[in-house]
Amino acid sequence: GENVEQHPSTLSVQEGDSAVIKCTYSDSASNYFPWYKQELGKRPQLIIDIRSNVGEKKDQRIAVTLNKTAKHFSLHITETQPEDSAVYFCAQNSGGSNYKLTFGKGTLLTVNP
Amino acid sequence: GAGVSQSPSNKVTEKGKDVELRCDPISGHTALYWYRQSLGQGLEFLIYFQGNSAPDKSGLPSDRFSAERTGGSVSTLTIQRTQQEDSAVYLCASSRPGTSGRPVDTQYFGPGTRLTVL
Repeated sequence: GENVEQHPSTLSVQEGDSAVIKCTYSDSASNYFPWYKQELGKRPQLIIDIRSNVGEKKDQRIAVTLNKTAKHFSLHITETQPEDSAVYFCAQNSGGSNYKLTFGKGTLLTVNP
Repeated sequence: GAGVSQSPSNKVTEKGKDVELRCDPISGHTALYWYRQSLGQGLEFLIYFQGNSAPDKSGLPSDRFSAERTGGSVSTLTIQRTQQEDSAVYLCASSRPGTSGRPVDTQYFGPGTRLTVL
């Protein structure tokens, strides 16, 4: 079945350092991999996504890499700032579905000033 | 424009009572999703509506859960005979429909309804 393993569950970094969160999946039909950020008490918001026809995508301080052979994808945040502190969720579209997402359990990122 | 809205923002109920949660999607979004987020967990897919197609109810955890979408816009999630394990944040999202060339268009989430069953 569809499964997304997300690691680590918590991550604490100093301001200015980089943070990396990794997700592994088992469904080889998946071809869409979004990352959502959820600040405390707020709604999840898409921060970046990648589709299986590319291996890397960047948006300012955020990047996502995808390795379809190894079935893992990672979120990289460089030059972290306190406002990056939040829970980050990875997801994949189950069975290549054009709507159904399976989410990881989330990573609590804390950026210490 | 206006984002996805949900009401109520908080709901406290007694075990055994029925509750209704409402979602107003972004105007023009034909796809609507309900998710459940338990404490410290990811988002659990519950149900998906797309236009006039039959909904995908595969994520509903029991027959106490049901959802409707009237007129292709507003949706209501109903939980009958609530149990303590139903306590969670219920999130609604909407999107444009995915296509074969662009599966899963961006899902925009509402603020959620925090349900507490005493």
